[in-house]
Amino acid sequence: DAGVTQSPTHLIKTRGQQVTLRCSPKSGHDTVSWYQQALGQGPQFIFQYYEEEERQRGNFPDRFSGHQFPNYSSELNVNALLLGDSALYLCASSPTKGANEKLFFGSGTQLSVL
Amino acid sequence: AQSVAQPEDQVNVAEGNPLTVKCTYSVSGNPYLFWYVQYPNRGLQFLLKYITGDNLVKGSYGFEAEFNKSQTSFHLKKPSALVSDSALYFCAVRDKAGGGNKLTFGTGTQLKVEL
Repeated sequence: DAGVTQSPTHLIKTRGQQVTLRCSPKSGHDTVSWYQQALGQGPQFIFQYYEEEERQRGNFPDRFSGHQFPNYSSELNVNALLLGDSALYLCASSPTKGANEKLFFGSGTQLSVL
Repeated sequence: AQSVAQPEDQVNVAEGNPLTVKCTYSVSGNPYLFWYVQYPNRGLQFLLKYITGDNLVKGSYGFEAEFNKSQTSFHLKKPSALVSDSALYFCAVRDKAGGGNKLTFGTGTQLKVEL
C-alpha cells in the first residue's frame, strides 16, 4: 500500500514564474492538506481540501491556490514566485477531516526560487 | 489562535539514558496534541497523539508523552535513547473546537543521541 506520494521531489524556478506541485493521498484517504516548511522552521499550514473544495486556509496569500480531483489527488499552485517561497512543500492526507485524525505526510517537494 | 513552543533547539543525550523533549501549547479550547519525527530529506512521521483520557500516551518506537493541563505541556519522553532516535522532533496542536484537522507546529527540536 503506497503512502502519500508527491511529485516532483525537487524543483528550481526563477522569480515571477508559476509552479504546480502534485500529491496523491494514501489509499482510503479523502482529505488532503498542504504545508510549507521553510529551512529551520516547523511546517506551516497552507490549506486543506475535502470533497474537492478548500475547507480551511492558513495565512498565505492568494498566490497560493489548490485543487482536489475526484480521485482525491491534489495540486498546489503558486503564482508569481518570490525568493521567500523557497521551501519544502509537504502534502498530508487523512481518512477524514476529523479533528482527532493523525496526518500521513509525503516526503515533500523541495522548491528553490532563484 | 493556537500555538506551540519548543524551547530547546537541540537536545543531546547519551545512548541508554532517558530523554525528554519539551513542548508547551496554547489553545482557546481543549487541545489535541501530537508528536511527529522528521528524518533528513523525509516527510514527517507520526509518533503519538493525545486526544482524551489517560494523561500518559504511549506511541511508536518506545516513545511516550505526558499531557499536563495545568502546565499546558506535552513533553516527549523515552526511557532509554538509541542512536537511531537522532532526528528532528515536532510538537503540534489542534483546537478540538476549531473544526478540520489543521495542525500548528512548533519550530522543532533536534535530538542527538551519542554513543
